[in-house]
Amino acid sequence: DAGVIQSPRHEVTEMGQEVTLRCKPISGHDYLFWYRQTMMRGLELLIYFNNNVPIDDSGMPEDRFSAKMPNASFSTLKIQPSEPRDSAVYFCASSFRQGGGETQYFGPGTRLLVL
Amino acid sequence: EDKVVQSPLSLVVHEGDTVTLNCSYEVTNFRSLLWYKQEKKAPTFLFMLTSSGIEKKSGRLSSILDKKELFSILNITATQTGDSAVYLCAVAGGSYIPTFGRGTSLIVHP
Repeated sequence: DAGVIQSPRHEVTEMGQEVTLRCKPISGHDYLFWYRQTMMRGLELLIYFNNNVPIDDSGMPEDRFSAKMPNASFSTLKIQPSEPRDSAVYFCASSFRQGGGETQYFGPGTRLLVL
Repeated sequence: EDKVVQSPLSLVVHEGDTVTLNCSYEVTNFRSLLWYKQEKKAPTFLFMLTSSGIEKKSGRLSSILDKKELFSILNITATQTGDSAVYLCAVAGGSYIPTFGRGTSLIVHP
């Protein structure tokens, strides 16, 4: 398996623009997680899905952030409008409950810079 | 609210040294404790511990869990420059969803 795939790997945008991050989880995994990592706050869980259904989005900073999982092999995280404080590395991770679901497999991350 | 505290925050050693990284936690309905290694990219899984006193070992890395005292340690013997990374500890409770600590940054000098 290719592992968790994220795109783009790097994104530079201007404040106010819409940003869409994409994730393809490992095939067969039933959980998908979106994280944000910064030096100041470490690794923060934003939202997670189980079988494509959002379970907990309490970590989403505000209404500018939204996430969808239209099918088992694809998820997006959208920021609209983006702000400089959104600059961070965004990770997608997936896991398989029956296989010891706490073990998460992380994608390479998207490094976002909002100017 | 689940809580994970790692210490030290950072550590600088020379190749060949042995290091011990600490992780203490508070969690409802403890299920497992996980260690990850993060270099300049995504975290990669090292160990999952569920039972007290049973050491998990992989090469020069080993880890053990104490569920009574609510902590775990990660040992690295004969450190190498390739061990330089941030080591993350995470704890999963009844929800199965891990809570991550802030990590320990390890720098190994040649």
